[in-house]
Amino acid sequence: GQNIDQPTEMTATEGAIVQINCTYQTSGFNGLFWYQQHAGEAPTFLSYNVLDGLEEKGRFSSFLSRSKGYSYLLLKELQMKDSASYLCAVKDSNYQLIWGAGTKLIIKP
Amino acid sequence: ETGVTQTPRHLVMGMTNKKSLKCEQHLGHNAMYWYKQSAKKPLELMFVYNFKEQTENNSVPSRFSPECPNSSHLFLHLHTLQPEDSALYLCASSQERGLGADTQYFGPGTRLTVL
Repeated sequence: GQNIDQPTEMTATEGAIVQINCTYQTSGFNGLFWYQQHAGEAPTFLSYNVLDGLEEKGRFSSFLSRSKGYSYLLLKELQMKDSASYLCAVKDSNYQLIWGAGTKLIIKP
Repeated sequence: ETGVTQTPRHLVMGMTNKKSLKCEQHLGHNAMYWYKQSAKKPLELMFVYNFKEQTENNSVPSRFSPECPNSSHLFLHLHTLQPEDSALYLCASSQERGLGADTQYFGPGTRLTVL
């Protein structure tokens, strides 16, 4: 079966750095997405990786290793507004998105 | 503003009611999706429409009936629902299903409670 694993919850301190990991086992691979979802709001697109390596976008970076079935989202200089759930999703060989259950990130002052 | 709107934002209905959820996208996309989001579970894809044609129905019970009259509008008709159908129903759109980098953009969702 297809599976996406990510931690259920993480806690970090304002101003610090946090890394949210995602491992996947899917039928084929056509890219990996990270979304941010604040409570009661729509998921919003953060990043897309299809090749191995690091993609940097401001305070957020996303890394992919296809051989290891592994990705991480790195958030730097954490702000209180970064408190949200972070969803990892992989596009399989049928171009269907397979979703993880999300990681709830709690930022403390 | 995401460019995808959903109404109503909240809905409470009895098991014998009939109601409809509406989604509209203003992004010029050709694919639209319905998802179910339950607490602490992955997003569950329900239906996909690409260029107004339904391309996927992921074993969704017949009490959920989608309708896509054009590329900008998507409906989910609900009837004789069960309490376990209570969830957040998310609509999304993307440029075109079947492209690797094709990114889905989500509406704010309808919080559905079935009594």
